[in-house]
Amino acid sequence: AQKVTQAQTEISVVEKEDVTLDCVYETRDTTYYLFWYKQPPSGELVFLIRRNSFDEQNEISGRYSWNFQKSTSSFNFTITASQVVDSAVYFCALQTSGSRLTFGEGTQLTVNP
Amino acid sequence: NAGVTQTPKFQVLKTGQSMTLQCAQDMNHNSMYWYRQDPGMGLRLIYYSASEGTTDKGEVPNGYNVSRLNKREFSLRLESAAPSQTSVYFCASSFIWQVGNEQYFGPGTRLTVT
Repeated sequence: AQKVTQAQTEISVVEKEDVTLDCVYETRDTTYYLFWYKQPPSGELVFLIRRNSFDEQNEISGRYSWNFQKSTSSFNFTITASQVVDSAVYFCALQTSGSRLTFGEGTQLTVNP
Repeated sequence: NAGVTQTPKFQVLKTGQSMTLQCAQDMNHNSMYWYRQDPGMGLRLIYYSASEGTTDKGEVPNGYNVSRLNKREFSLRLESAAPSQTSVYFCASSFIWQVGNEQYFGPGTRLTVT
């Protein structure tokens, strides 16, 4: 069975702080993909990144970076110099067979001015 | 380009009433999905349609039915609503049923059952 755990239910930081959102996954499949989605207060789900199980290179996109470690089954997300607009719920998701996604419970990030 | 659209945006039902949530996509995607989002539980898959003409149960299908009306449209029906079905419902689509395909989400329908 597939499982995604986001142990941090809520995180609160002050603007300009760096923050890391943790994601741990479980699967017996050797081919899988990991995703991060952002859900701002408006409610829609915004795709952030996709990473396949054969590519362990870290990725940086502006203030966002992702650290994928198969050895610890983790796919953590770091926001550098956080901004108020980063306040949202962030979901990590695992995709194995077909296209179905298994989501974590989400982490509510609040960035205070 | 509207992407994935859902109607209605909000709905209040009484226990036992029925309703259908509508979803349409204009991206020529083959696969479509229905999720529900409850506080503290992330999104859970209710039903999916890997391709036109097929539907399959997801993680939490009880109390729901779906219809893949055509390639563009995928509806979710609650035959006899229960308070436990109070949730936010998201429809999504992807190009094909294959691992690695990104899903595109609609804006959601907030449903309250009293």
